[in-house]
Amino acid sequence: DTEVTQTPKHLVMGMTNKKSLKCEQHMGHRAMYWYKQKAKKPPELMFVYSYEKLSINESVPSRFSPECPNSSLLNLHLHALQPEDSALYLCASSQTVNQPQHFGDGTRLSIL
Amino acid sequence: AQSVSQHNHHVILSEAASLELGCNYSYGGTVNLFWYVQYPGQHLQLLLKYFSGDPLVKGIKGFEAEFIKSKFSFNLRKPSVQWSDTAEYFCAVLPLGAGNNRKLIWGLGTSLAVNP
Repeated sequence: DTEVTQTPKHLVMGMTNKKSLKCEQHMGHRAMYWYKQKAKKPPELMFVYSYEKLSINESVPSRFSPECPNSSLLNLHLHALQPEDSALYLCASSQTVNQPQHFGDGTRLSIL
Repeated sequence: AQSVSQHNHHVILSEAASLELGCNYSYGGTVNLFWYVQYPGQHLQLLLKYFSGDPLVKGIKGFEAEFIKSKFSFNLRKPSVQWSDTAEYFCAVLPLGAGNNRKLIWGLGTSLAVNP
């Protein structure tokens, strides 16, 4: 079992919906990440938060909006997504940005 | 641009065979090195890591990797694979030089299938 908890595990949404993905860790890690992963491909970095501040945005479209309410929580707000956004969305955390990342099970997102 | 190359995209082995997966990276400075594994339907897990010191590192489940600085390589090995080793294996490199934004660079992955 992973120590990074992601909810929901599965999400189906229409292109006009607004939804949020949630991620939680209680390991005291100060770096948290959002990745997008397609089948049999490596994760693609989307956002990095370090000490609750956004430190990397990999030119992600504005229909994805991250939020880090506190050091344990990371959200990804979704709005007006496109079918090509269907993927597995992974959250990860690490003690600092130099340390190994611990991954959650992911949210499998399908856009209709 | 910095990159990580995994030479074998698909590997098929029989149980008890030995495994070596290649990983090379293009960055001349100091790096942290990682191998991650993703079993079918499961989350990415850290197999092993190298930060400094002994270039031969041991990880979980009998895996080991050797860092060869002169070859910019970090190959993964296991003397005898099992059916349960069937998974995707990703090599990842974290450049540590000034000016780098501490972003992991991932290889494309190797899909390993072990036949019983």
